[in-house]
Amino acid sequence: DVVMTQSPLSLPVTLGQPASISCRSSQSLVFSDGYTYLNWFQQRPGQSPRRLIHKVSNRDSGVPDRFSGSGSGTDFTLKISRVEAEDVGVYYCMQGTHWPWTFGQGTKVEIK
Amino acid sequence: EVQLVESGGGLVKPGGSLRLSCAASGFTFSNAWMSWVRQAPGKGLEWVGHIKSKTDGGTTEYAAPVKGRFTISRDDSKDTLHLQMNSLTSDDTAVYYCCRGYTGPLAYWGQGTLVTVSS
Repeated sequence: DVVMTQSPLSLPVTLGQPASISCRSSQSLVFSDGYTYLNWFQQRPGQSPRRLIHKVSNRDSGVPDRFSGSGSGTDFTLKISRVEAEDVGVYYCMQGTHWPWTFGQGTKVEIK
Repeated sequence: EVQLVESGGGLVKPGGSLRLSCAASGFTFSNAWMSWVRQAPGKGLEWVGHIKSKTDGGTTEYAAPVKGRFTISRDDSKDTLHLQMNSLTSDDTAVYYCCRGYTGPLAYWGQGTLVTVSS
């Protein structure tokens, strides 16, 4: 199985400051169709998860542009340009290239 | 508006069975690839399994911990996804989410249904 490793696991941030989460996969996530199925999800406290980013860098509808995804191959990053209070929660990366699909452990974002 | 509403969760004894359902609306269900994801209390997300649309073969894939015990099926005439769970253990205790794929996996999520396996 592809192992997804996130860092850090806990991220205290100051409102208005940037934040960055790293996600590394144990093998390349490039699929045979040329796409890289690396996704990012946000789970706010008490809510269902919500997809933020698909295929590395494509923001889903309604996702603020302060969220951005980047990376390639096995190394990926989610960045929040200026953290707002509503961004508190747990963030997961997930690969949909190889069966079984696998998630990272999650990164808890909290306000300092 | 895409809506996914799970039902069927509850308390079941170890070794027992349970069938979850997910009622879909707001999109063409028969064209959608659908998944189940679970989250044990206080833990992270775990993909359970997936079913493709019938036009794409209708095939299923499962995570190793549930393979042979869980079965995903779909009723396109009723826009409903099912998860049949057998031989349940305490490790299966979790909130189970129904998800729809769109431009990639797990684009939309339901509110989840809690399954508790306990004697």
